[in-house]
Amino acid sequence: KAGVTQTPRYLIKTRGQQVTLSCSPISGHRSVSWYQQTPGQGLQFLFEYFSETQRNKGNFPGRFSGRQFSNSRSEMNVSTLELGDSALYLCASSPYRGSVNGYTFGSGTRLTVV
Amino acid sequence: KNEVEQSPQNLTAQEGEFITINCSYSVGISALHWLQQHPGGGIVSLFMLSSGKKKHGRLIATINIQEKHSSLHITASHPRDSAVYICAARPPNTGNQFYFGTGTSLTVIP
Repeated sequence: KAGVTQTPRYLIKTRGQQVTLSCSPISGHRSVSWYQQTPGQGLQFLFEYFSETQRNKGNFPGRFSGRQFSNSRSEMNVSTLELGDSALYLCASSPYRGSVNGYTFGSGTRLTVV
Repeated sequence: KNEVEQSPQNLTAQEGEFITINCSYSVGISALHWLQQHPGGGIVSLFMLSSGKKKHGRLIATINIQEKHSSLHITASHPRDSAVYICAARPPNTGNQFYFGTGTSLTVIP
């Protein structure tokens, strides 16, 4: 059974650019959540998608957005990149919202903004 | 103030020792999640529990809802257990929105 796939694994962007990250959940999983991890702030919740709708959003500016497609794959977009956006971006999938079992993380996308 | 506090921040143990990592939270929760992160970034979900105790191999997680406290125990620790352990609290009716602790960095020496 394939795990959660995130692409790309590594990315270098310049300040002011925009970036799109992709997350393919485990087959059958309908909930996809995104997280940002930095040395200073640790892990922080970005947003959660279920049935192509954003269900929750963390305390991040509007430059951070996302969407989910009918096959449950999700993308997140960051516009007008800032140096502080350099981080490991992780997505996780679960069968449904609030699942206790089956919660699985991807390997992450490491974004560096220069 | 963080919603989730972990202790200790760093822990060094000899192989074979019994290890306890503690997590206290200040919010109401529907579940408490224990995660393991190895160097390189990959995160593995160890346990998600809402009451009592769960066990998987040498790992045991307990939670006391009244005291808002959870512990992760590792019995007969091994160098491959060296990792960062993170607890995360999920408030009710928030889907998969978690508040994360800052992690406990565990090093097990052979």
